[in-house]
Amino acid sequence: DGGITQSPKYLFRKEGQNVTLSCEQNLNHDAMYWYRQDPGQGLRLIYYSQIVNDFQKGDIAEGYSVSREKKESFPLTVTSAQKNPTAFYLCASSVTSGASYNEQFFGPGTRLTVL
Amino acid sequence: GQQVMQIPQYQHVQEGEDFTTYCNSSTTLSNIQWYKQRPGGHPVFLIQLVKSGEVKKQKRLTFQFGEAKKNSSLHITATQTTDVGTYFCAGVSPMNYGGSQGNLIFGKGTKLSVKP
Repeated sequence: DGGITQSPKYLFRKEGQNVTLSCEQNLNHDAMYWYRQDPGQGLRLIYYSQIVNDFQKGDIAEGYSVSREKKESFPLTVTSAQKNPTAFYLCASSVTSGASYNEQFFGPGTRLTVL
Repeated sequence: GQQVMQIPQYQHVQEGEDFTTYCNSSTTLSNIQWYKQRPGGHPVFLIQLVKSGEVKKQKRLTFQFGEAKKNSSLHITATQTTDVGTYFCAGVSPMNYGGSQGNLIFGKGTKLSVKP
C-alpha cells in the first residue's frame, strides 16, 4: 500500500526537551513538506524539501529543524527554542513542487503536547 | 506577505441545504487547490483549478476560480452528513513572488456541520 506514515500519532514531551517526528513515504515523491495546524487555523508551512539533501524554510521555521538524507524520509525536530510547540503536525508529499503544481498527499499527523 | 482569506469560518446547515465557502487572495494566484479534512483526520485533495473563470464539478460539489484568479468558491448542493468536515482552499503563489515561492498558501478553512 502506497502512502505516507507519521509516527507516533500522539506524543507527549516535557518542556525544554527536543523531540523528533517521523515522516516516511513510499510514493516515490520528490517533494516533502511539514505543516503545523492549530485549532481554527489553516496549515502553516514549517519546512519543505524539493530533493534529497536540500530543504528550505517555510513561513514558521524558527524553533524547528529538518533533514532529508533519503528520498522517502523527512523527519522534523521540534527544539526547545520553539516557544509554543503544542500543535498538530502534518507531513505531506507531492510528485514535484513548483510551477507544474501537484496535489499534496498528507500523512495522518502527529499530535504533540508539551507539558 | 501573501494571504488567502476564507469565509465563513463555521457553517451549520440542515441536511439537504446548500453550502458555500469563499476564498480570496490578496494577489493573483497561479492556481488553487481545495482540500477536505474530516474530524480527527488529515487533509485530502479534492480538486485543482488553473484557468481563469474555470468551473469544475464533482457530483454535488461545484468549484469556481475567479476571472482575475484571486478568488474561488466551493458550493455543495443538498448537503449530506458525509459532507461534515473542514474545507480548505490553498493558493499557489507564482514562482516570481517572494516568500513561499511556488508553495501552497492555505486559508484557515470553513468548518461545516450538518444536522440530520
